[in-house]
Amino acid sequence: AQSVTQLGSHVSVSEGALVLLRCNYSSSVPPYLFWYVQYPNQGLQLLLKYTSAATLVKGINGFEAEFKKSETSFHLTKPSAHMSDAAEYFCAVQGTGANNLFFGTGTRLTVIP
Amino acid sequence: DSGVTQTPKHLITATGQRVTLRCSPRSGDLSVYWYQQSLDQGLQFLIQYYNGEERAKGNILERFSAQQFPDLHSELNLSSLELGDSALYFCASSEFGPGSRMDTQYFGPGTRLTVL
Repeated sequence: AQSVTQLGSHVSVSEGALVLLRCNYSSSVPPYLFWYVQYPNQGLQLLLKYTSAATLVKGINGFEAEFKKSETSFHLTKPSAHMSDAAEYFCAVQGTGANNLFFGTGTRLTVIP
Repeated sequence: DSGVTQTPKHLITATGQRVTLRCSPRSGDLSVYWYQQSLDQGLQFLIQYYNGEERAKGNILERFSAQQFPDLHSELNLSSLELGDSALYFCASSEFGPGSRMDTQYFGPGTRLTVL
């Protein structure tokens, strides 16, 4: 069975500071992992995905994530937070049969000016 | 803009009623997924269609049903609505079918359903 756990439902950072959003996965097969962002009153936008090609994945808007098998983690980072990064972030793992996504509970990022 | 469209954007209805949510996938995508986002349950997979056929079911209630038409658009039908059905309903589409590990889902803007 596939699942993800996001540690921290709320994260606050100062503008210009490092952003670190945590995600740990559980999967019976090599996982395909995703990060999506949801801005207020909008749909989910794909930030990046891991499909086993490279452990460090670069996404849009300066975000990246590193797949660490030994830690079963796929944490999302950005070196310098911008006010426009304030949103909710979801980590997800792809199912092995129907390809549906199993989402974490989300982390709301607040950027303090 | 993901290329996935959903209508209506907002829907307000009463308990016991029936509603239909519509989704048009990205051009060329054959798979459509429906998800429900609620405060208490989070984001949950409901059902998947691939090229007109139902391929997988998640936590979908028996009062809910869906279909995918020959032009690949999909509809989610919710009946005998209850207060707890109030949620944001997302449609996502992807190019490949079940079993393809290269699949990436692109989400529509969602339909916000309020049941009063």
